[in-house]
Amino acid sequence: AQSVTQPDIHITVSEGASLELRCNYSYGATPYLFWYVQSPGQGLQLLLKYFSGDTLVQGIKGFEAEFKRSQSSFNLRKPSVHWSDAAEYFCAVGAGSSGGSNYKLTFGKGTLLTVNP
Amino acid sequence: DTGVSQDPRHKITKRGQNVTFRCDPISEHNRLYWYRQTLGQGPEFLTYFQNEAQLEKSRLLSDRFSAERPKGSFSTLEIQRTEQGDSAMYLCASLRGQNYGSYTGELFFGEGSRLTVL
Repeated sequence: AQSVTQPDIHITVSEGASLELRCNYSYGATPYLFWYVQSPGQGLQLLLKYFSGDTLVQGIKGFEAEFKRSQSSFNLRKPSVHWSDAAEYFCAVGAGSSGGSNYKLTFGKGTLLTVNP
Repeated sequence: DTGVSQDPRHKITKRGQNVTFRCDPISEHNRLYWYRQTLGQGPEFLTYFQNEAQLEKSRLLSDRFSAERPKGSFSTLEIQRTEQGDSAMYLCASLRGQNYGSYTGELFFGEGSRLTVL
């Protein structure tokens, strides 16, 4: 069965500092990988996704993520964090017998990001 | 996109009562998903529809849970004889695209319906 591990429950960074959120997945086939952000009182919003091709993917709000098959990782990065980035971040892997194309996602437990002024 | 809307946003009920949640997806999206999220956890898949057909149900969806999408537009999730363990946020999402060739993989989530069972 597929699974996602986000090792860091809570991360605090200063505004302007760089950010890396870790994500490790377990999936038998080529994964579909996603990062979503959830702000209080708002629905989950897709930041970026990886299906195939270039292993460095760019997303919205200045985020990027790198797929490393050898490490089963899909870490999220941002070079300079803004106070508005404070939210909870979820990594997810696409699962299912059709190789992920049913978009039934398995989510990690999330990483809560706090940004200090 | 007008967004995915869910109703009610918050429901408080007593154990043993039935509750129903409604989800209106983005109108041109033919796939609709239900997830459940408890405190400190990520969303967990419950079920999904393509048009009116329910294609998959998670083992998390006990016999007390039923979901429908009768006309391929809005969907309802009913929980019968609620238990305190059912307290959670119920999330609905729709998938951008009309068919396998056009799905982008982007799920649009509603803000959720929070259920509290006393």
